[in-house]
Amino acid sequence: SQQGEEDPQALSIQEGENATMNCSYKTSINNLQWYRQNSGRGLVHLILIRSNEREKHSGRLRVTLDTSKKSSSLLITASRAADTASYFCATDAGSYIPTFGRGTSLIVHP
Amino acid sequence: DGGITQSPKYLFRKEGQNVTLSCEQNLNHDAMYWYRQDPGQGLRLIYYSQIVNDFQKGDIAEGYSVSREKKESFPLTVTSAQKNPTAFYLCASSPWTENEKLFFGSGTQLSVL
Repeated sequence: SQQGEEDPQALSIQEGENATMNCSYKTSINNLQWYRQNSGRGLVHLILIRSNEREKHSGRLRVTLDTSKKSSSLLITASRAADTASYFCATDAGSYIPTFGRGTSLIVHP
Repeated sequence: DGGITQSPKYLFRKEGQNVTLSCEQNLNHDAMYWYRQDPGQGLRLIYYSQIVNDFQKGDIAEGYSVSREKKESFPLTVTSAQKNPTAFYLCASSPWTENEKLFFGSGTQLSVL
């Protein structure tokens, strides 16, 4: 079974809008990571947040982590058509082996 | 794709045939991983290796085999025992310390003829 689960499964927005996707997980973690995948390509690392951190920023990305609720969110501000991709969260469940969710498919319409 | 090369990009397997997917990295990473990706199921871990000549089964190792004879290379063999091999296979590497990100190759799409 998968440790992390993203929500929603699919998200369709207009360029310039913000996109928010969530990740819930089941067991305690050391860190949580977000990755991006363009269609038919490998995954690219976006951001890592440690279990003792609550929020991290990287450019237009903002990630939050709530360990009490076992959940994380990824916010992409002022989205662009080039942000169209699938986004995955990965948790390590204490073993340092990343386990991936099913992903959120984001479509940004120009 | 971050110093990891997967080949071939597309591969076709005949029934009863073993096929080998190549994964090479020049990042001097200790750890390497193989994931399988099916539509709607995300990534599932097949095998991983933390050090040369050692590897561990992941969640779906049945029907697959690996070797790690060199630090740079982690080939995956899809054996005839794997009855549903059609999928997108992703190789990744990391330095194997805590809180490290994975670097992924560009993937191999395996299909059954």
